[in-house]
Amino acid sequence: DIQMTQSPSSLSASVGDRVTITCRASQGISNYLAWFQQKPGKAPKSLIFAATSLQSGVPSKFSGSGSGTDFTLTISSLQPEDFATYYCQQYYNYPHTFGQGTKLGIK
Amino acid sequence: EVQLVQSGAEVKKPGESLKISCKGSGYSFTTYWIAWVRQKPGKGLEWMGIIYPGDSDTRYSPSFQGQVTISADKSISTAYLQWSSLKASDTAMYYCARQGGGADYWGQGTLVTVSS
Repeated sequence: DIQMTQSPSSLSASVGDRVTITCRASQGISNYLAWFQQKPGKAPKSLIFAATSLQSGVPSKFSGSGSGTDFTLTISSLQPEDFATYYCQQYYNYPHTFGQGTKLGIK
Repeated sequence: EVQLVQSGAEVKKPGESLKISCKGSGYSFTTYWIAWVRQKPGKGLEWMGIIYPGDSDTRYSPSFQGQVTISADKSISTAYLQWSSLKASDTAMYYCARQGGGADYWGQGTLVTVSS
């Protein structure tokens, strides 16, 4: 299985901040990388696919970069609704493994 | 509008069987893979397996192979996840998700509680 490691596991930030979350794959996955946002009691929401492509309807404050083994999700100008848990997932090989999640909290 | 609507919450006893469902609408159900994802209380997302409803080609995570069965009935645009003998450790929220550009659409989740 391909292991996906996110860092940090948790992060505190203030409204208006810009934050970056990192995801590293244990082997190369080209650009088969997705990012999700999950709020308590809700289903995950797709933000980014193919490492850099924004899902329809997702605001441009979210951006993704990377290829191969190292990827980042950047959220600019944090708003209260952005405080949530974020997951990366590779869909290069089965099983389509997730990172362990990054909990973004309010400072 | 693409929608995945899952069946309602279940409370079961250890050893019982269960089949939960995920009904797709608003798109061609037979041409997108459907994945199942587990989330235990307070924990992260775990990918269980995936099915292509067009021909029922199915792949499982090694962690779930033999523990669950994934199936689909394309005539009613519905995918299923089933257990033959539930354990307390199967208590979790289960999500289905369409594999478009990544897992682009998700169901609302089905909470399965297994308790004696």
